[in-house]
Amino acid sequence: SQQGEEDPQALSIQEGENATMNCSYKTSINNLQWYRQNSGRGLVHLILIRSNEREKHSGRLRVTLDTSKKSSSLLITASRAADTASYFCATAPPGDYKLSFGAGTTVTVRA
Amino acid sequence: DSGVTQTPKHLITATGQRVTLRCSPRSGDLSVYWYQQSLDQGLQFLIQYYNGEERAKGNILERFSAQQFPDLHSELNLSSLELGDSALYFCASSVGLAGDSGTDTQYFGPGTRLTVL
Repeated sequence: SQQGEEDPQALSIQEGENATMNCSYKTSINNLQWYRQNSGRGLVHLILIRSNEREKHSGRLRVTLDTSKKSSSLLITASRAADTASYFCATAPPGDYKLSFGAGTTVTVRA
Repeated sequence: DSGVTQTPKHLITATGQRVTLRCSPRSGDLSVYWYQQSLDQGLQFLIQYYNGEERAKGNILERFSAQQFPDLHSELNLSSLELGDSALYFCASSVGLAGDSGTDTQYFGPGTRLTVL
């Protein structure tokens, strides 16, 4: 069963625009991680945010976490064609290491 | 490049057969995880090993088994294969420090694509 759900399922934007996707989860977490997957390839770790953090930045990425609403968002600013991929959020419950993934958001950046 | 290697990249086999997937973790990582990604089930956690011992089990079928060797590489064995076992199988590794799961990042390998005909 999947712990998280990403919204929207798919997103199409113009190069240079920002892309925002959301993740909702069901149970308590220790941390939430975002991964990127290019078509049929491995997952690339983007960012990890701990349950006691509210916002984190990494380059053009901004992640927020609201544990009271059990939700997170990933913002990609100034998108590029290379950002075309599927994005997954993954959560780990307290005291546990195994990740539960959402179904992912497929982002297409048009040139 | 995450530093996690998986072999083979592709595997095509027939129903009823047995295959072994191999994973080498990043240098220094003690935890190895196996995940299955299929179109209908998405990404599912299968099993975790930490320093040679099984630590957590997820949605792993009884026909599947895994182990982690003293050199920390891991193998996932899939037997009596069925059509539905066709999927991408990922290995991930992390430092896996006990009690510090708050910052334990998992790094994924490129995956093994298994096709069962």
